[in-house]
Amino acid sequence: DTGVSQNPRHKITKRGQNVTFRCDPISEHNRLYWYRQTLGQGPEFLTYFQNEAQLEKSRLLSDRFSAERPKGSFSTLEIQRTEQGDSAMYLCASSLARASGLSYNEQFFGPGTRLTVL
Amino acid sequence: AQTVTQSQPEMSVQEAETVTLSCTYDTSESDYYLFWYKQPPSRQMILVIRQEAYKQQNATENRFSVNFQKAAKSFSLKISDSQLGDAAMYFCAYRSPMNRDDKIIFGKGTRLHILP
Repeated sequence: DTGVSQNPRHKITKRGQNVTFRCDPISEHNRLYWYRQTLGQGPEFLTYFQNEAQLEKSRLLSDRFSAERPKGSFSTLEIQRTEQGDSAMYLCASSLARASGLSYNEQFFGPGTRLTVL
Repeated sequence: AQTVTQSQPEMSVQEAETVTLSCTYDTSESDYYLFWYKQPPSRQMILVIRQEAYKQQNATENRFSVNFQKAAKSFSLKISDSQLGDAAMYFCAYRSPMNRDDKIIFGKGTRLHILP
């Protein structure tokens, strides 16, 4: 049983370049989340998917950010025209949400992708 | 909007001793989940302990226990018999009970050092 995996683990890019990160959730997990963690801070929610549908987006997710989960399995997070303020750890998590009621679904986190924008 | 506050950026404890990490939160909801997560250096975040707000009994997981004070909106983590492997960032976190509003709100974290 493999956990959540993220690639690449580290990315260094120059300001203005586009970058794309990939997240592979735990098999059978229908929900996938993206968080951003800057140095010295706790993770901040960006967005989440249930299967292919993007159900919620934070105001932190500017129009330079786009996330997709085309087949309800892996997800990509793209940042266009990167800025130095985008330097952070990007965390992915997945969970199995039940169809009915207010059930608890634990989020399992991946190791993150550390982005450095020069 | 819900907020989570951790007022201790760093703490240290002697190996085998007990340490308590503090957390306060703010919410207008009556039911919710509270968590403590552990993030070791260069390793992924793992869930340490979970508390449902409707439960009066404090959650316990082996050496980890919480003191949940709902009226005071306080949620502290006690680590007993501290071990070197407990050294990490610890995040207090909140989640709404609504299945659709499925995001976790984290505090800024407390870095815990274990002194041998």
